[in-house]
Amino acid sequence: AQSVAQPEDQVNVAEGNPLTVKCTYSVSGNPYLFWYVQYPNRGLQFLLKYITGDNLVKGSYGFEAEFNKSQTSFHLKKPSALVSDSALYFCAVRDIGGVTGGGNKLTFGTGTQLKVEL
Amino acid sequence: NAGVTQTPKFQVLKTGQSMTLQCAQDMNHNSMYWYRQDPGMGLRLIYYSASEGTTDKGEVPNGYNVSRLNKREFSLRLESAAPSQTSVYFCASRGSSGNTIYFGEGSWLTVV
Repeated sequence: AQSVAQPEDQVNVAEGNPLTVKCTYSVSGNPYLFWYVQYPNRGLQFLLKYITGDNLVKGSYGFEAEFNKSQTSFHLKKPSALVSDSALYFCAVRDIGGVTGGGNKLTFGTGTQLKVEL
Repeated sequence: NAGVTQTPKFQVLKTGQSMTLQCAQDMNHNSMYWYRQDPGMGLRLIYYSASEGTTDKGEVPNGYNVSRLNKREFSLRLESAAPSQTSVYFCASRGSSGNTIYFGEGSWLTVV
């Protein structure tokens, strides 16, 4: 079965500093990996995805993520955080080659609350 | 550009009542999903529909039924609501040639 772990419930960072939100995954086949952001009382918005190719993926609002196959990680990063980045961030994985046929299902982590302070 | 639209936005039910959450997408997507979001548990898949006319159970299907009415619409029904079904429900969709899932704005359901 596919799974995602976000080890930090909350990440605090000062505005202007770099930020990292961690994500590790487990799949039996090859992964498609995603990051979504959720603002209060709103739905999830797509940030970026890794399908294949370059391990460094760039997405919306200056965010990027690095796929590391050996460490089964897909950490979200931003060089300079903004107060407006404060939100709940979800990592998700889709196993495209798993024996359980999970190719059509996206599994989410439990979310990491990012708080950017002045 | 509506995307994925869910109704109602908010609902309070008494234990044992039934209700249906409606979802429609205007992106001509084949796959549609229902997730529930609970604090500390992330999003969990209730049911999904890979194409019109098919539905499959997800991680937490008990107490729910779904209907893929047509390509656009995918409804979620609670036949006899229980307090454990108090949650935020999200509908989502994905195109056959794409990998990104797009979400609705959510439906906040409270069962008392």
